[in-house]
Amino acid sequence: ETGVTQSPTHLIKTRGQQVTLRCSSQSGHNTVSWYQQALGQGPQFIFQYYREEENGRGNFPPRFSGLQFPNYSSELNVNALELDDSALYLCASSQQGNNGELFFGEGSRLTVL
Amino acid sequence: AQSVTQPDIHITVSEGASLELRCNYSYGATPYLFWYVQSPGQGLQLLLKYFSGDTLVQGIKGFEAEFKRSQSSFNLRKPSVHWSDAAEYFCAVGQSGGYNKLIFGAGTRLAVHP
Repeated sequence: ETGVTQSPTHLIKTRGQQVTLRCSSQSGHNTVSWYQQALGQGPQFIFQYYREEENGRGNFPPRFSGLQFPNYSSELNVNALELDDSALYLCASSQQGNNGELFFGEGSRLTVL
Repeated sequence: AQSVTQPDIHITVSEGASLELRCNYSYGATPYLFWYVQSPGQGLQLLLKYFSGDTLVQGIKGFEAEFKRSQSSFNLRKPSVHWSDAAEYFCAVGQSGGYNKLIFGAGTRLAVHP
């Protein structure tokens, strides 16, 4: 059974740039969620995708967007990067309806200079 | 609004000692509760979960947690800590109805002295 994999593991961007983070969900999982974890804090929910559509969103601006593909993999895109976007971005996959039992990847650490 | 509070930012225990990490939640309905562990540079690993039924739940790595509705708490315990348990621990509350959004606490960092 393949776990959740994310890429890249680390990246550095400058303010105003755009970034795309990628996630492959665990085998058999059809739902992908993205979380932002700032240094010293708990993860915060960004959004969730199911059947290639966003079906839940946290308190993040529209410059945070995503996609889910037919194979259930997903992308997180962030436009017009700000310094406060520096964080660990975690992808989690699950089966829709399993009430929050998420399986997390190791994350992509984004640094914005 | 839903929220999770972990009152202890850092805890240090000696190897072999018992451990209790506190978690309080605010949620209007019956909560789904989770404990996750995060080692440095790693993602989150699920330790245990509570959905319903027996209020004492067993998890992996010898951890257990007890749901106390009257106190809005879901404290994590382990009778004897191992050095490899040093990590950050997160309590989280989820919504019912199949929606997988979790609200996490700020975490408790556990250090283990030999």
